[in-house]
Amino acid sequence: DAGVIQSPRHEVTEMGQEVTLRCKPISGHNSLFWYRQTMMRGLELLIYFNNNVPIDDSGMPEDRFSAKMPNASFSTLKIQPSEPRDSAVYFCASSFGTSTEAFFGQGTRLTVV
Amino acid sequence: QKEVEQNSGPLSVPEGAIASLNCTYSDRGSQSFFWYRQYSGKSPELIMSIYSNGDKEDGRFTAQLNKASQYVSLLIRDSQPSDSATYLCAVNFNQAGTALIFGKGTTLSVSS
Repeated sequence: DAGVIQSPRHEVTEMGQEVTLRCKPISGHNSLFWYRQTMMRGLELLIYFNNNVPIDDSGMPEDRFSAKMPNASFSTLKIQPSEPRDSAVYFCASSFGTSTEAFFGQGTRLTVV
Repeated sequence: QKEVEQNSGPLSVPEGAIASLNCTYSDRGSQSFFWYRQYSGKSPELIMSIYSNGDKEDGRFTAQLNKASQYVSLLIRDSQPSDSATYLCAVNFNQAGTALIFGKGTTLSVSS
């Protein structure tokens, strides 16, 4: 089992640029979560999908953030335009059914300069 | 407001001692509780889950849950330097397959 796969692992971009983070959940998992981690705020839930449908996006900080899940094996988190305060580690996680045991990808470290 | 509270630490214990990590949560109706371990620069890794009041043991780890007090803890026996990490408490606030809410974590340092 390859686990949750995220890309890229590291991203450095200039303020104002568009950033797209990608995630492939564990095969067979039907829930997918995007989290953001910073020293100040810890691990924050941004949005989660169940069966490819967004269920709760109340954690998305601003309209600059958007997420999609076009099929069961792929999701994107897009930031447009990016700002320095978006610098953080972004994690994708997935789980199966209602067990809620979430398994995390390796994360994408985003730096906006 | 869904909140999970942890003492940020650092918690320092000598090798071989028992480390006790604590967590409180805001919603009395919460059903599922998890402990994750996160090494510096790595992703969170699930180490324990607990759903019922009482204790659950897995090797050197024991999770304890008290729903009446809205309190969950993790005990690590015979602590090893390799246990040095940040421990994240996570709570599922609803019964259906919804997302985990995490505390900010407690940093544990085990000295040899």
